[in-house]
Amino acid sequence: AQKVTQAQTEISVVEKEDVTLDCVYETRDTTYYLFWYKQPPSGELVFLIRRNSFDEQNEISGRYSWNFQKSTSSFNFTITASQVVDSAVYFCALSEALGGSYIPTFGRGTSLIVHP
Amino acid sequence: DSGVTQTPKHLITATGQRVTLRCSPRSGDLSVYWYQQSLDQGLQFLIQYYNGEERAKGNILERFSAQQFPDLHSELNLSSLELGDSALYFCASSMSRSSGGAGETQYFGPGTRLLVL
Repeated sequence: AQKVTQAQTEISVVEKEDVTLDCVYETRDTTYYLFWYKQPPSGELVFLIRRNSFDEQNEISGRYSWNFQKSTSSFNFTITASQVVDSAVYFCALSEALGGSYIPTFGRGTSLIVHP
Repeated sequence: DSGVTQTPKHLITATGQRVTLRCSPRSGDLSVYWYQQSLDQGLQFLIQYYNGEERAKGNILERFSAQQFPDLHSELNLSSLELGDSALYFCASSMSRSSGGAGETQYFGPGTRLLVL
């Protein structure tokens, strides 16, 4: 069984602060995939990043960065210099083979509120 | 815009009724996935179709069914609706050119918000 834990239910910051969203996962598979999605108030789910279990390199995309550490089973997401538009619910997801199809299990999400 | 479309955006109906949600995947994507998002259960996988055939099943109730048509659009049918079925229903698609679609990114549609009164 797989499990994704996003322990932070809600985070509130002031604009321009840096913020890290935690994601801890559990899996027995050696091959798996991790994702982050953003759900703004409008409701749609927006893909942010995909990482496979064999690639532990950290990734930076503009103000977003991701830290993948297999040793601690974590895939944390940092937003640098947060902006009001970053306010959303962020989901971490883990996918492993389920009958031949990699179906992601989503964490419960972290609601990020960025105040002006 | 992910390229995945869903209709309708909102649906209000009564208990005991039946509704159909429709999804068109991104151009070229062969797999369609259905999810239910509710406050108490979070985002739950319901079912996947690949090129017209059921590929994987999750926590889908027997009252719910889905299909994927030759043009690859999909429909999710919800019957004998209960208050607890009120939720946001998402469709997602992925390319799935390989047999397992291993770890492919799923692109989500805007969702259909269902309210059962």
